[in-house]
Amino acid sequence: EADIYQTPRYLVIGTGKKITLECSQTMGHDKMYWYQQDPGMELHLIHYSYGVNSTEKGDLSSESTVSRIRTEHFPLTLESARPSHTSQYLCASSVPGGPYEQYFGPGTRLTVT
Amino acid sequence: GDSVTQMEGPVTLSEEAFLTINCTYTATGYPSLFWYVQYPGEGLQLLLKATKADDKGSNKGFEATYRKETTSFHLEKGSVQVSDSAVYFCALRSNSGNTPLVFGKGTRLSVIA
Repeated sequence: EADIYQTPRYLVIGTGKKITLECSQTMGHDKMYWYQQDPGMELHLIHYSYGVNSTEKGDLSSESTVSRIRTEHFPLTLESARPSHTSQYLCASSVPGGPYEQYFGPGTRLTVT
Repeated sequence: GDSVTQMEGPVTLSEEAFLTINCTYTATGYPSLFWYVQYPGEGLQLLLKATKADDKGSNKGFEATYRKETTSFHLEKGSVQVSDSAVYFCALRSNSGNTPLVFGKGTRLSVIA
């Protein structure tokens, strides 16, 4: 069982608010990822990190930002939430060494009103 | 670039029916292949994996065989249960670089009693 945590699980917030979605893992994994999942189920990679002080943008352009100051922590921030940010956000990390399968947190369902 | 194509859903089956969810991929070299499952309200869980041609991954009655000649990794289960209702994702990890997993769009399975 992978130990990767996301908080909050559910968040309803008004337009213009700043929010931070938390993701932590206790497995010492170097690689971590953020996905946005649309209602049609498809996963879109929005950010990833291969270690402390390393962050990269994913395939889907996102107005969010991430930071990686500690190995175990990979928070995602939206400076000004909009209704278009309403979605499910999934955090993942992957084991060092091949085949690099990814382990996922339970997700944060964000609703911006 | 690398890509994964899986059959579109939704798939609806009666309990104890045979399940096949098709997955084909495009990648250079010899990628590692995965099936993930997402139950309602949860994150993705690794279901099974295969790392080289002709490998068979199996777990919880599900199986998939890595077929290099047809670039396929079809998911099968001999007798589905209502509890198998979920969304299933096929994914690959290229061995040609340090890259995140590439996911298919997901297939929703509903099993009715």
